[in-house]
Amino acid sequence: DAKTTQPNSMESNEEEPVHLPCNHSTISGTDYIHWYRQLPSQGPEYVIHGLTSNVNNRMASLAIAEDRKSSTLILHRATLRDAAVYYCILRTGTASKLTFGTGTRLQVTL
Amino acid sequence: NAGVTQTPKFQVLKTGQSMTLQCAQDMNHEYMSWYRQDPGMGLRLIHYSVGAGITDQGEVPNGYNVSRSTTEDFPLRLLSAAPSQTSVYFCASSSLRREAFFGQGTRLTVV
Repeated sequence: DAKTTQPNSMESNEEEPVHLPCNHSTISGTDYIHWYRQLPSQGPEYVIHGLTSNVNNRMASLAIAEDRKSSTLILHRATLRDAAVYYCILRTGTASKLTFGTGTRLQVTL
Repeated sequence: NAGVTQTPKFQVLKTGQSMTLQCAQDMNHEYMSWYRQDPGMGLRLIHYSVGAGITDQGEVPNGYNVSRSTTEDFPLRLLSAAPSQTSVYFCASSSLRREAFFGQGTRLTVV
């Protein structure tokens, strides 16, 4: 599976936007970019995914670089409940396996 | 709609004991999988199944067995528990190519 690189940790103030970066320079044409997050003491939960175009849903936005070698998860207004570990994962179109890295631990402060 | 249900939530085993971690989903998903998560690390895939009667090994399968006799259930068996299997175990399910849903986890301690 292609590898992703994320910063170990990031901090944000509450009510401010957060941009979580992910590098995936070895991405292939059939890889979807998935984001999951894991709140403390819980299982991971799906956030968003995309292939080539930017995507929006009720939780977040996903901005994908034109060459697809990087992407950014955008939380428009961080809240304390968004404090979690965020995982960027490449998922081959026909496969359902998820390969987790160590993710980015997001801290949100008042 | 319960989603993915794991039991038990907590378990303490003695070295050499066996046990089964249960996982059930009510979303008629074809794909189910088991992961383990050690402190400070991401999840690692143990075994997975793409449908009833079909299972395959993931990244860290040694010491674990699985079976998939129904679409709903995907139990994980530890045949002879070892301290190295102390971890938090997560079960997940999805339709093929769709987002995965995870259970709340089973925290296992082997002493």
